[in-house]
Amino acid sequence: DAGITQSPRHKVTETGTPVTLRCHQTENHRYMYWYRQDPGHGLRLIHYSYGVKDTDKGEVSDGYSVSRSKTEDFLLTLESATSSQTSVYFCAISEPSTGPNEKLFFGSGTQLSVL
Amino acid sequence: GESVGLHLPTLSVQEGDNSIINCAYSNSASDYFIWYKQESGKGPQFIIDIRSNMDKRQGQRVTVLLNKTVKHLSLQIAATQPGDSAVYFCAENVPGTYKYIFGTGTRLKVLA
Repeated sequence: DAGITQSPRHKVTETGTPVTLRCHQTENHRYMYWYRQDPGHGLRLIHYSYGVKDTDKGEVSDGYSVSRSKTEDFLLTLESATSSQTSVYFCAISEPSTGPNEKLFFGSGTQLSVL
Repeated sequence: GESVGLHLPTLSVQEGDNSIINCAYSNSASDYFIWYKQESGKGPQFIIDIRSNMDKRQGQRVTVLLNKTVKHLSLQIAATQPGDSAVYFCAENVPGTYKYIFGTGTRLKVLA
């Protein structure tokens, strides 16, 4: 988890409210990712970023938006939280200097509960 | 988080024995693979990686084997210790992209 900080670590919110999760890295890696982890599923990609202001959708992007205004910060916003978005959210980073095949490192996660 | 992996396959091994954890990957064109360890309440921790031009790669107490013919990956842990108890899962790089597909994982329990 070195070099990657996720905040908050735990969040409880109500259905219909907006929620923003933050990922901060000190590694100066170009790529940043948001995943969610749920029982019975492998980690699933929500959105990723390949540079400042450059983002793209993952496989489960509905209901989520992201922003990256600085290399070190990647924000995930749940525009109107639903109970199906109760999950553990992980941020990851990579630096594919020579191609896509580079190590992916994860933060400690945010446990989000939507009531 | 604590709820992840409630119904995962479990491998129980005696302390000091070797462990073998298996993973079947989905895409025959995948050319890069990673093994992760995840302890309860923590993020996935990188263990070892392997590229498709290799069949085997060794790290400290761990070895990854890649069998491209049957799309199979395995992680071998030598002299398993109590600290090795965790969920282990593999990831494959989606060819030509910066995306990864993750397995659901195997829970390793080390018996004293």
